[in-house]
Amino acid sequence: GAVVSQHPSRVICKSGTSVKIECRSLDFQATTMFWYRQFPKKSLMLMATSNEGSKATYEQGVEKDKFLINHASLTLSTLTVTSAHPEDSSFYICSALAGGVGDFGPGTRLLVL
Amino acid sequence: GQNIDQPTEMTATEGAIVQINCTYQTSGFNGLFWYQQHAGEAPTFLSYNVLDGLEEKGRFSSFLSRSKGYSYLLLKELQMKDSASYLCAVTDSNYQLIWGAGTKLIIKP
Repeated sequence: GAVVSQHPSRVICKSGTSVKIECRSLDFQATTMFWYRQFPKKSLMLMATSNEGSKATYEQGVEKDKFLINHASLTLSTLTVTSAHPEDSSFYICSALAGGVGDFGPGTRLLVL
Repeated sequence: GQNIDQPTEMTATEGAIVQINCTYQTSGFNGLFWYQQHAGEAPTFLSYNVLDGLEEKGRFSSFLSRSKGYSYLLLKELQMKDSASYLCAVTDSNYQLIWGAGTKLIIKP
């Protein structure tokens, strides 16, 4: 199946700093990438949908100025958590889609101290 | 609105068979996914159904009825490692994934 990588897998940062998470589709070109956030014991929450070369579409309640998404190429999307706060600590997962079928990245665990 | 329903939790015995149901109401349909997720990990792909019928893959099978908005995931010969959450997700007409809340499956010896 499709292979999607995420980097870093785990990050710890101080409150107020910015963190960038990369999502790469390794063996296919992803026209669409999704960014999810997962809270403990809850299902995935879609944060935004990004299409290559255009602005991301954010879900209601997700601050686009805080969670910056850049889908610069068909194989790379980045999520930047700006001015991170402890409440941003979570598990962030990307998904890359092409032709209706895709796969998930392994996830990035963010801990903001 | 768009909605995916699946049971919150199920319990089964090692070696047995369990069926996890999923019903959906979405704007358009471009396929249904089943994912397995162990605690603290990203979901892993199990199956993809876009046509009606049963797809069998080893111990796992997935069934789809588009007219009924219904799918199930069937797990045979249950093993302790099958204890996980099972997520049903539907791709709508915009190819956006609509997620169910997941079914936590507990396997007992």
